[in-house]
This record gives sequence, structure tokens and C-alpha cells, in this order.
Amino acid sequence: KAGVTQTPRYLIKTRGQQVTLSCSPISGHRSVSWYQQTPGQGLQFLFEYFSETQRNKGNFPGRFSGRQFSNSRSEMNVSTLELGDSALYLCASSLAVGGEETQYFGPGTRLLVL
Amino acid sequence: ELKVEQNPLFLSMQEGKNYTIYCNYSTTSDRLYWYRQDPGKSLESLFVLLSNGAVKQEGRLMASLDTKARLSTLHITAAVHDLSATYFCAVDMDSNYQLIWGAGTKLIIKP
Repeated sequence: KAGVTQTPRYLIKTRGQQVTLSCSPISGHRSVSWYQQTPGQGLQFLFEYFSETQRNKGNFPGRFSGRQFSNSRSEMNVSTLELGDSALYLCASSLAVGGEETQYFGPGTRLLVL
Repeated sequence: ELKVEQNPLFLSMQEGKNYTIYCNYSTTSDRLYWYRQDPGKSLESLFVLLSNGAVKQEGRLMASLDTKARLSTLHITAAVHDLSATYFCAVDMDSNYQLIWGAGTKLIIKP
């Protein structure tokens, strides 16, 4: 069974630009969550989607947005990039059936903003 | 606001020794996770703990949960070099797949 895939793996952008990151969950998983990981702030929750609906959103500015498609693939977009947006962006998928299920993480997209 | 604290944040130990990583959280939680991250890599799920008194073991790692004390521990038995990594605990407060993370414990095991 294929794991969570994320594209691109690496990105270099300049301040003010926008960027779109993509995540394909494990087949059959309907929940996709996004996280930002930085050395200073650690891992922080961005948002979670289930069946094309955003169910939860973390404490990030409106420049960060996302969406989920009918095939459960998800994209996140960051507009007007700032230097502080440089981070590893991780997406995770799960079946969303509760119990002892876990979230499975993709390899991440490493974004550098210059 | 839910806070998750791990300690220690850094641990250097010799192979063959035992040690414990602690994870405290500030409010009641439905689900607690332990993950491992190798340098430059993504997160690998180790354990999911749901109920008070839950104990899970995989190889040299054992995790437990005390919901009354709001404390989880990750115990390493007879450490080997391959266990060197950063270990994170994370809490899902309302079973809504919004994980709040500890800062991570960087574990270095010397041969």
C-alpha cells in the first residue's frame, strides 16, 4: 500500500510570492491534516480536512489556506510569503474512524523563502 | 489552552542503558501519540494510547499513559544505536485530528 506522498519535496521562493503544496493520502483515507515544522516553533497544526470540508484550523493567518478534492487529495496554499514561512510542511492522513488509529505522515515539503 | 511538555529535551546515553522520556499535558485528552523522527525525515508512528493505564510495547520501546496524572512515558530498554532519533509526543484533545505536539526529545545513543 502506497504511503502519503507530497509534492514538491523542495521549494525555494522569494518574499511576496505564493506557493501551493500538494498531498496525496493513503488510499481509502479521508482525513488529511497539515502541519508546519520549524526549529523555533516546533510542530504546529495548520488545518484538517475530511470529505472536502475543513473541520479544524490552527492559529495561522489567513494567508494559509487549503482545500481537499473529492479523491481526498489535498492542497495547501500560502500567499504573500514571508521569511518566517520557511519550514518543513508535513501532511498526514488517517481513516478518521477513531479508536487506536494513527495519522500517517508524508515525507514533507521543505520550503525556503528568501 | 492545551500544552504538551516533554522532558528531557536532549538525552545522550550509552548503549545498553535504560531511560525514560516524559510527556505531560495540561488538559484531559482522548488520545496520545508517540512518534519518531530521524534527521531530515518525516514522522513515524510508534504508539497510540487511549485509556488510563494503557501500556504498549514494541521491541525496546514501551509507552504508558496515566490520564489522571496527565502523563505519558516512553521507556527505552537496553538502548541500541539505531534508536537514536527525536521522539515526539502529541495529544489529540477532542479526537478531532488536531494534534498538539511536545517539543521533542533528541536522543543520542553512543556505542
